[in-house]
Amino acid sequence: NAGVTQTPKFRILKIGQSMTLQCTQDMNHNYMYWYRQDPGMGLKLIYYSVGAGITDKGEVPNGYNVSRSTTEDFPLRLELAAPSQTSVYFCASSYGAVYGTDTQYFGPGTRLTVL
Amino acid sequence: TQLLEQSPQFLSIQEGENLTVYCNSSSVFSSLQWYRQEPGEGPVLLVTVVTGGEVKKLKRLTFQFGDARKDSSLHITAAQPGDTGLYLCAGGLGTYKYIFGTGTRLKVLA
Repeated sequence: NAGVTQTPKFRILKIGQSMTLQCTQDMNHNYMYWYRQDPGMGLKLIYYSVGAGITDKGEVPNGYNVSRSTTEDFPLRLELAAPSQTSVYFCASSYGAVYGTDTQYFGPGTRLTVL
Repeated sequence: TQLLEQSPQFLSIQEGENLTVYCNSSSVFSSLQWYRQEPGEGPVLLVTVVTGGEVKKLKRLTFQFGDARKDSSLHITAAQPGDTGLYLCAGGLGTYKYIFGTGTRLKVLA
């Protein structure tokens, strides 16, 4: 199993450009998440999905969009990139255990710089 | 806004020393998880505690969940250079949502 894979690993964008961060998992997990991690900080939840066709906003959704057409894929779209979106983005997936005992498996991250 | 604060933010110690990292909030959580993150990688789950007062041991690491399920601690005995990393706590908000702490960056010197 490859686990959670993310592409690209690094990207530099100019202000106003758009891009899609790709995330794929091969563990047949129902739940998938997108987080951002600013330098020296913890993770903030951007969007999450509890299954194909179902997505919801997290703590910091502004400036981002997601879709979940299949169980495996959960792309994150940045529209009109801004310097405040410079961060490391992590995708994660989990089976969906009850009462917060789920194990989230994280991808290696995408380091994005907006200039 | 729910906050999960960790202390200390940074810790640099000598090999063989003991240390404790704290994770505090005013919110009640259904569970508390601890992760370790190496540079350039995603976080990896170390442990999940779900019952107030619960204590779990993982070799030299001891995790405790506060009685009121608002706080947690991670104690490392006889730290080794391999323990170096960013330690993150995450509070469970129901079935599948988590809020992450601010992180503690640990460096263990040989």
